Amino acid sequence: ETGVTQTPRHLVMGMTNKKSLKCEQHLGHNAMYWYKQSAKKPLELMFVYSLEERVENNSVPSRFSPECPNSSHLFLHLHTLQPEDSALYLCASSQERGIYNEQFFGPGTRLTVL
Amino acid sequence: AQSVTQPDIHITVSEGASLELRCNYSYGATPYLFWYVQSPGQGLQLLLKYFSGDTLVQGIKGFEAEFKRSQSSFNLRKPSVHWSDAAEYFCAVGDSGGSNYKLTFGKGTLLTVNP
Repeated sequence: ETGVTQTPRHLVMGMTNKKSLKCEQHLGHNAMYWYKQSAKKPLELMFVYSLEERVENNSVPSRFSPECPNSSHLFLHLHTLQPEDSALYLCASSQERGIYNEQFFGPGTRLTVL
Repeated sequence: AQSVTQPDIHITVSEGASLELRCNYSYGATPYLFWYVQSPGQGLQLLLKYFSGDTLVQGIKGFEAEFKRSQSSFNLRKPSVHWSDAAEYFCAVGDSGGSNYKLTFGKGTLLTVNP
């Protein structure tokens, strides 16, 4: 595997389910990001991790819970979601935190909440 | 607060025609500007970026963009479009202040290429 991978690619869940999204980067980067991409809206930064420490929680509801066990893996745990949470969730990584460092994106997980 | 406007939601061009995608930004200081492309089913890929220096920047896949401070614009151009350029294009501005990793994106422009 190369670059940034995300699993699953598609997920359908009910409002009472608990599920997790997984992201893995094979680039040796130290910073990882979760973004939400909704139709007709700009890409929204959700969380940022640098060296496994969360450095940004962009006013995201607590029903989204990130986890970064090491610099290569990032999870987004989901519980009690709402239909408006349906979106494409993108993971990205960069060598270091900072806009001088190019962010490399995974293909995303398409989430549908019923 | 910084913001990015991409006035065109959808653009259709013929293969071989020239392309210009518009981007206007609002940012108090010197902006750091980016263009990303997202092909169907893929994540975003960086096309080019502007931090300082020459206001005309070259990117991958034959794209270029010009920073015009007086117009608060960073338009993306390509002289001859290929069918494989069909994708969604996002302009973004980077926060050069305290949160120096945060990118603010526009809503995107969907490019359709007719044969």
